[in-house]
Amino acid sequence: SQQGEEDPQALSIQEGENATMNCSYKTSINNLQWYRQNSGRGLVHLILIRSNEREKHSGRLRVTLDTSKKSSSLLITASRAADTASYFCATGFSGGYNKLIFGAGTRLAVHP
Amino acid sequence: DADVTQTPRNRITKTGKRIMLECSQTKGHDRMYWYRQDPGLGLRLIYYSFDVKDINKGEISDGYSVSRQAQAKFSLSLESAIPNQTALYFCATSDQGSAQAFFGQGTRLTVV
Repeated sequence: SQQGEEDPQALSIQEGENATMNCSYKTSINNLQWYRQNSGRGLVHLILIRSNEREKHSGRLRVTLDTSKKSSSLLITASRAADTASYFCATGFSGGYNKLIFGAGTRLAVHP
Repeated sequence: DADVTQTPRNRITKTGKRIMLECSQTKGHDRMYWYRQDPGLGLRLIYYSFDVKDINKGEISDGYSVSRQAQAKFSLSLESAIPNQTALYFCATSDQGSAQAFFGQGTRLTVV
């Protein structure tokens, strides 16, 4: 079974609004990453947060991590039509392994 | 990402045929991965390799095999393709010091 589960599965908003996606996972992690995928294309890394961090920012992206609840959220502020894509969380494990386990993703549609 | 190249990009094959998907990278990374993506299921890890000659099974390795005979190349084989192996296949790389993965553009495989 998959480690990460994103919520919601699909999100539809208007340009300028904020988009929040959540990710829950099952086991202890070393880091959690968020990736973006435009339709049918390869995934692109957005941001990484380590298990000892609680919040991280990158441009219009804000990621939080709550290891006690085994959950993370990705906030995209002031969304644009170009943000339309699928977003995946991926968990990396301790012990020096970079094996990433992905969730099923959130499909975000931003309407002009 | 042009640094990770997958061939072919699209392939239609018949049930029972052997098929090989190739992945090559110019990033100099030691770690390489094969993932499969099905609609609504996100990415699932098939095999991964942390160095030449190192092979590890992922979540769904049955029906697949891999070869890592050079640092830059990681090939995935379907010994006898079946229709439920129809999916989008991604190769990814990462290095020992960074958890971030870099993805190829994917191979769309259809087994008829």
